[in-house]
This record gives sequence, structure tokens and C-alpha cells, in this order.
Amino acid sequence: EDKVVQSPLSLVVHEGDTVTLNCSYEVTNFRSLLWYKQEKKAPTFLFMLTSSGIEKKSGRLSSILDKKELFSILNITATQTGDSAVYLCAADPSSYKLIFGSGTRLLVRP
Amino acid sequence: DSGVTQTPKHLITATGQRVTLRCSPRSGDLSVYWYQQSLDQGLQFLIQYYNGEERAKGNILERFSAQQFPDLHSELNLSSLELGDSALYFCASSFLAGAVNEQFFGPGTRLTVL
Repeated sequence: EDKVVQSPLSLVVHEGDTVTLNCSYEVTNFRSLLWYKQEKKAPTFLFMLTSSGIEKKSGRLSSILDKKELFSILNITATQTGDSAVYLCAADPSSYKLIFGSGTRLLVRP
Repeated sequence: DSGVTQTPKHLITATGQRVTLRCSPRSGDLSVYWYQQSLDQGLQFLIQYYNGEERAKGNILERFSAQQFPDLHSELNLSSLELGDSALYFCASSFLAGAVNEQFFGPGTRLTVL
């Protein structure tokens, strides 16, 4: 059965810290991995990764995929209180759906 | 704002009742996906439509059904509601049916079954 596992489940840091969120997957016919940020409402798209070893960056956020070891990481540098959210990763198994992990709840304290 | 709209925002109803959730995809998107998010289950894929046709089914109960109309809006019908159906229901849309493309999520409908 396809599955996506995220760790840690939750994380509390102080502003300015750097965090690394992990996502491992076991998915047949894997095609891509996506990261979403979910605050109080809908998940908002962050990154889509399809190739191993190519880092994607957006401001203080970056992500990379390792298709050999079947994992991805999401890094957030110089964290701010506005980064507090649940971060979801999802795998695309070349079908019509995304398989989501349970998320990492990040709390950034001032 | 993703461009995906969902109504209503909140719905409170009783067990045994039937409700309809509505979703309008982003302009130009042909695919609509429905997800259920409960506290203990995370985001679970329910069903997908592409240009009016059902394309994929996930963990959708027989008491639930959906359709996509010619104007591409979609409705999710939940019947014989149980307490365990209380959850956030998200609709997402994308342009293509299953190619590599991100899905854009609506704000969700929070369903509470009492």
C-alpha cells in the first residue's frame, strides 16, 4: 500500500532558528512529491519536486528530493512566527490522486 | 486566495441527515478533487472528476457521492450522516487530469454532525 510518512509530528522552535522537515515515501509509479503549507484554512502549494538532487528555493524555504532513498526534506531558515503552520507533503503515484502524509506541525515562538 | 471556492464554510447538522457541499474550480481548471480531513486521519482523497467524468475513487463511502456539472462546478453529497463524518472537506482543482501538476485547494467546508 502506498504511504507517506512525515517527521517529526510537531516541532517548537524560536524565531531565527533553522528547521528541517522530513518526508519519506513508499509509492509505486512515483512521479513527483509536493509540499504544502496549511495554516488555519486550505493547504497552499509550496513546491513540486520531480528530479533527484535539484534544490528548489523560494525565499527562506528550500526543498530537495532523493529518489534513491525515497525521501524529501523541507528547510526553513531564519524562521518567523508567520511560518507557524502544518506542513504537508504528498506523493503523486502517477494516478489521479495525491497521497498525503499526516503533516508536521511547526510552532515558531517569538 | 487559490481561486477555488467552496460553500458553505460551515455546516452543522444532525445524524441521519443529508448535505450537499459545493465547489467551483479555478477558472480554466478541468479537474476537481475532493478530500476529507479529520483530526486522526489527515487528508484523505475521496474522488476526482475531470471535465464532467469520474476519473478516480479513493476512500469514499457508499453513503457519499459526487458529480461535476457542465459548468465544471462540483457537488459532494453526504447522506445518512454519522458522527464520524464530522471533518473538513476540501475541494482542489487542477488543469489536467493526472499529469504532473499541482492541485490548488479551496478554503474547505467544516462539517459538524451532532
